[in-house]
Amino acid sequence: DIQMTQSPSSLSASVGDRVTITCRASQTISSYLNWYQQKPGKAPKLLIYAASSLQSGVPSRFSGRGFGTDFTLTISSLQPEDFATYYCQQSYSTPPYTFGQGTKLEIK
Amino acid sequence: QVQLVESGGGLVKPGGSLRLSCAASGFTFSNYYMSWIRQAPGKGLEWISYISNSGTTLYHADSVKGRFTISRDNAKNSLYLQMNSLRVEDTAVYYCARATVGGTGKWFDPWGQGTLVTVSS
Repeated sequence: DIQMTQSPSSLSASVGDRVTITCRASQTISSYLNWYQQKPGKAPKLLIYAASSLQSGVPSRFSGRGFGTDFTLTISSLQPEDFATYYCQQSYSTPPYTFGQGTKLEIK
Repeated sequence: QVQLVESGGGLVKPGGSLRLSCAASGFTFSNYYMSWIRQAPGKGLEWISYISNSGTTLYHADSVKGRFTISRDNAKNSLYLQMNSLRVEDTAVYYCARATVGGTGKWFDPWGQGTLVTVSS
């Protein structure tokens, strides 16, 4: 199975900061990589699919990059509503479609 | 609007069974693959099951294979998860999610609100 490793596991930042979260796959997954945001007590929400495509309705301050094994999610200017936990997920070939362990973004 | 609503969660003893349901609305259910994903308390997300739009192709994670079965009824716009031989470690919030299959992968959106399954004696 493909393993997904996110870094960091937690991150403290301030409103207005630029933040980058990294996700690494244990083998190449082309661009079959998605990013989700989850707030406490809520279901996850899709932010980015296919590594760099912004889901409809998601603010343009969110962006994704990467190909192969290394991927990033960047928030260009943190807003108060962005403090949440972020997960990457690979969807390469057949299941299992594994998630990273999550990155908790907290207010500094 | 597109909506997924899970039901059927609750408290069950180890070794017991439970059937989760997910009612879909606002889209043509029979056109979409669907999935179940769970989250243990305070933990991350774990993909567990995936079913094709016709219901003929199924996948399950190794952690639930042989105990859980995903199914669907397109006439009722409903997705199901039959869970047997439940273990304490199956305690989690269970989400259903719609899968979009594109040229560059599959992605899950939207997700239901989740239903809590607690396995405890």
